[in-house]
Amino acid sequence: NAGVTQTPKFQVLKTGQSMTLQCAQDMNHNSMYWYRQDPGMGLRLIYYSASEGTTDKGEVPNGYNVSRLNKREFSLRLESAAPSQTSVYFCASRRVGLSTGELFFGEGSRLTVL
Amino acid sequence: TQLLEQSPQFLSIQEGENLTVYCNSSSVFSSLQWYRQEPGEGPVLLVTVVTGGEVKKLKRLTFQFGDARKDSSLHITAAQPGDTGLYLCAGAREYGNKLVFGAGTILRVKS
Repeated sequence: NAGVTQTPKFQVLKTGQSMTLQCAQDMNHNSMYWYRQDPGMGLRLIYYSASEGTTDKGEVPNGYNVSRLNKREFSLRLESAAPSQTSVYFCASRRVGLSTGELFFGEGSRLTVL
Repeated sequence: TQLLEQSPQFLSIQEGENLTVYCNSSSVFSSLQWYRQEPGEGPVLLVTVVTGGEVKKLKRLTFQFGDARKDSSLHITAAQPGDTGLYLCAGAREYGNKLVFGAGTILRVKS
């Protein structure tokens, strides 16, 4: 019953440090997504991967990189963290080819950049 | 500027009251979804509406997709404290792989 698993759940960074958020899903979904959630802004798409081997930019990709390591795993990297990247990050997955398909979310990773 | 505008942003009501949350856009969507999120958790899908004018009911929750597929509403009858949470609408473009989310409505139901 794992679904979508994100690590770490909490992280505090200093400005300029780098880190990688890990995400894995066990539902055999083709599409995976990274969103950030800020108060009053809802969920904004950072990057997504429609299928293994492909990645595309979302609404707010600047300052981030992603890697679709295999079908299960999709990581988000901050190369040089900035205070503006303080946020809650959510990974999600869904079956490919279904525009009506349900997004399954992880529990979130809470990142603070000092 | 949000592609999907949700209103109201905050709603605090007493148990037993009715409420409606709106999700509006100037763009046409092939489908629209409503999610509910509780503190410390990820959003969970409540419903997907696909056809213009479609109405779906989920117990005390009624969802409607506008005829032109540009807007949607969520109506809750006789709200209960367990309905408390953040309600998010999300729209999908035709053949698109990306979902666009509204900013959300925070609902608090007091007992």
